[in-house]
Amino acid sequence: AQSVTQLGSHVSVSEGALVLLRCNYSSSVPPYLFWYVQYPNQGLQLLLKYTSAATLVKGINGFEAEFKKSETSFHLTKPSAHMSDAAEYFCAVSEASYDKVIFGPGTSLSVIP
Amino acid sequence: NAGVTQTPKFRILKIGQSMTLQCTQDMNHNYMYWYRQDPGMGLKLIYYSVGAGITDKGEVPNGYNVSRSTTEDFPLRLELAAPSQTSVYFCASSPGLAGVGAYEQYFGPGTRLTVT
Repeated sequence: AQSVTQLGSHVSVSEGALVLLRCNYSSSVPPYLFWYVQYPNQGLQLLLKYTSAATLVKGINGFEAEFKKSETSFHLTKPSAHMSDAAEYFCAVSEASYDKVIFGPGTSLSVIP
Repeated sequence: NAGVTQTPKFRILKIGQSMTLQCTQDMNHNYMYWYRQDPGMGLKLIYYSVGAGITDKGEVPNGYNVSRSTTEDFPLRLELAAPSQTSVYFCASSPGLAGVGAYEQYFGPGTRLTVT
């Protein structure tokens, strides 16, 4: 069965510092992987996705994630945090099935001036 | 395109009352979903639909009902509201066809529901 874990329910970084949000998944088949961002009082918005092409995926707002099959990980990074990056981030996995997308519990990112 | 729209934005219900949360998408997507979001729990799938006239249960369907009479609309019905249904509800849609973008979900802004 699919599952997603996100290490750290809350992460704080200084403005300009590296952002690293961790995601590990379990899947019995090659998965599709996603990162979504949720700004306060809004719905989720797709940041980036992995669909078995390049293992390093670039998304919007300077974020990128690397698929590492050996580690079953899909960590999200950004070289330099901006105040506007403060939000909730969700990792999600799908086993190539349109109806079964499993979301992780989320990581709240705070950016300190 | 408006994308996915949800009404109302906020609602307070008394225990035992009923209500319908509305969801409409204008992207001609085949798949639509209802999730609830509780603090620290991520999103839980309530119901989903793969097309007009077809619905199926998700992870937490008890206490809810859905219908899908058109491609655009996917209302969620709460029949006898309970405090455990206090949550933020999100509707989402996806193309549901093979190819790039098939698995991406597009979310509405959410409905914040309190049951007291």
